[in-house]
Amino acid sequence: DAGVTQSPTHLIKTRGQQVTLRCSPKSGHDTVSWYQQALGQGPQFIFQYYEEEERQRGNFPDRFSGHQFPNYSSELNVNALLLGDSALYLCASSLQGIHGEQYFGPGTRLTVT
Amino acid sequence: AQSVTQLDSQVPVFEEAPVELRCNYSSSVSVYLFWYVQYPNQGLQLLLKYLSGSTLVESINGFEAEFNKSQTSFHLRKPSVHISDTAEYFCAVRGSTLGRLYFGRGTQLTVWP
Repeated sequence: DAGVTQSPTHLIKTRGQQVTLRCSPKSGHDTVSWYQQALGQGPQFIFQYYEEEERQRGNFPDRFSGHQFPNYSSELNVNALLLGDSALYLCASSLQGIHGEQYFGPGTRLTVT
Repeated sequence: AQSVTQLDSQVPVFEEAPVELRCNYSSSVSVYLFWYVQYPNQGLQLLLKYLSGSTLVESINGFEAEFNKSQTSFHLRKPSVHISDTAEYFCAVRGSTLGRLYFGRGTQLTVWP
């Protein structure tokens, strides 16, 4: 049973560019959450998708957007990249409900130069 | 809103010594509490969780944590650490009605031979 997978593993972009990160949830999971982990910090919640809709959003600007597909996979898009967007982006999947544990993928390391 | 404070950013210990990683949370609602572990260049792995019931929860590799509602704490303990326990440990809280996780800033546990 494959766990949460993310692609790409690493990415280098230039300021002002746009980036798309991808996530495939654990088999049987229907909810995907995205987190940003800056160096030396704990993960910060970006948003969560369920039934192809954004259900919750953290304190991130509109430059951060996402999408969930019918097969529950998800994309995170970041426009007009800033140096401060350099971080590890983590995807977590879960089954909707109060006790839905979140399982994390290995992350995508984004470097903005 | 919820928040998590991990009181120690770094904890160095010798192999086979006991260790305690401290975590305090603030919340106006009932919470679910988690400890995640992150090894270098990897995503987060769920170590243990408190959802309800017994306030003492254990992991399969010898860690335990106790939920203390009066002190709003969820400290992580292990009676005898191994070098392989060297990693970053994150405490996280989740409210009863929201799916997002709030993370602490992490504690780097380093076990020396």
